[in-house]
Parts: sequence; C-alpha cells; structure tokens
Amino acid sequence: DIQMTQSPASLSASLGETVTIECLASEDIYSNLAWYQQKPGKSPQLLIYYANSLNDGVPSRFSGSGSGTQYSLKINSLQSEDVSIYFCQQNYDSPYTFGAGTKLELK
Amino acid sequence: QVTLKESGPGILQPSHTLSLTCSFSGFSLSTYGMGVSWIRQPSGKGLEWLASIWWNGNTYNNPSLKSRLTVSKDTSNNQAFLKVTSVDTADTATYYCAHTLGAFDYWGQGVMVTVSS
Repeated sequence: DIQMTQSPASLSASLGETVTIECLASEDIYSNLAWYQQKPGKSPQLLIYYANSLNDGVPSRFSGSGSGTQYSLKINSLQSEDVSIYFCQQNYDSPYTFGAGTKLELK
Repeated sequence: QVTLKESGPGILQPSHTLSLTCSFSGFSLSTYGMGVSWIRQPSGKGLEWLASIWWNGNTYNNPSLKSRLTVSKDTSNNQAFLKVTSVDTADTATYYCAHTLGAFDYWGQGVMVTVSS
C-alpha cells in the first residue's frame, strides 16, 4: 500500500496569512494526488486534483503543487471560511489512501 | 448536476451484514470512465477508502477488509451498493459514496452506521 504522510497535523494561522500543507507519498504517484476540504459535520469537498488542477468553483487562493512523492497545498490570504480539516489522497494505485489530515484553525 | 445520497440501516448488531445503497443522479454508471467509490470515516477520525465500482463492472476493494466487502451496481436505476459482512464495533462510521473520475469529485452527505449489540 502507498502510505501518505501529511504534515502538520494541526496549524494555527491568522487571517490574511499564507499557509502550506505538505503530503509525502511512500512511492512515486505521478501527480495522482487530490486535496479535500472537510468542514465540521460536512462531507469532504474536492479542492485540487492531479496535484495542481483547481476544481470548479474553488477559490483561486487555493493552489497545489508537487511531483513524484512530494506535494503541497497552499492557501493564500487565509479567510475565516477556510477553517477546516484538509486531506490529501493518492489515486494512483489501489488501495487509494488518504493522509491523516491537517486541522487548520484561526489564531 | 451530480448528486449522490447514501441510505442504510443506521444501527445493526455485530456479526450482521451491513447493506448500503448509493442513489445518484447527473451521471450514468454505464458511461465510459465513470465510477462510484465508497469511503468511510469513524467519528473524529480520518478517511478510509473501501471500494470502487466502474462503468465496465470492474471493482476494486480495500484488502484491509479482506473479503468482507462486495460492491455492485444497478445501472438502470442509478444506484450502487456496498455490503460489509461480519461487522463489529470497528465498522461504526459515517459511510460516504462519491462520484469517481480519478479523484472523488462529488460526495454524498454520508450515512451514519453504528454497530452495537
């Protein structure tokens, strides 16, 4: 199985700040990496697919980058509505595995 | 637009079989490339992919659940199904189905399942 190591586990940032969340795959996943946002009591929502493609309707302050085994999600100009848990997920090979999540809070 | 909705028993006893239905609209599971996946999340914990079924009938299951999973579809009625046999308390979770085109791009609202005697 491909292991997805996500960091940090939690993050506290101020409004307007830029935050970055990292995801490390245990082997090359050839950019088959997605990022999801999950707000309390809600289903996860797709933000980024194929490492750097923004899903429809997602604000442009979200961006994804990376290749090989290393990937990151960047949120520019943090807004209050960005308080959520963020998960990375590889869809390169079954079983499709998720990172453990990053809880983003406001400072 | 694409929508999905899960339905299930809510609560069931250990050793029983969990049967879940995903009813969807906005796409057809007979269209090339389309898939539906099942993902679960214990309360306060992370996400676990369980299984996927594709337009051509191919299925992929998470081997961590060994042979307890069966996924199927009814293309005519726009439904997908998940069965989990021999449940125990560790299977207590919210179960989601999701439209799959590589990533899981549309999710249902989830159905909470509790395994308890």
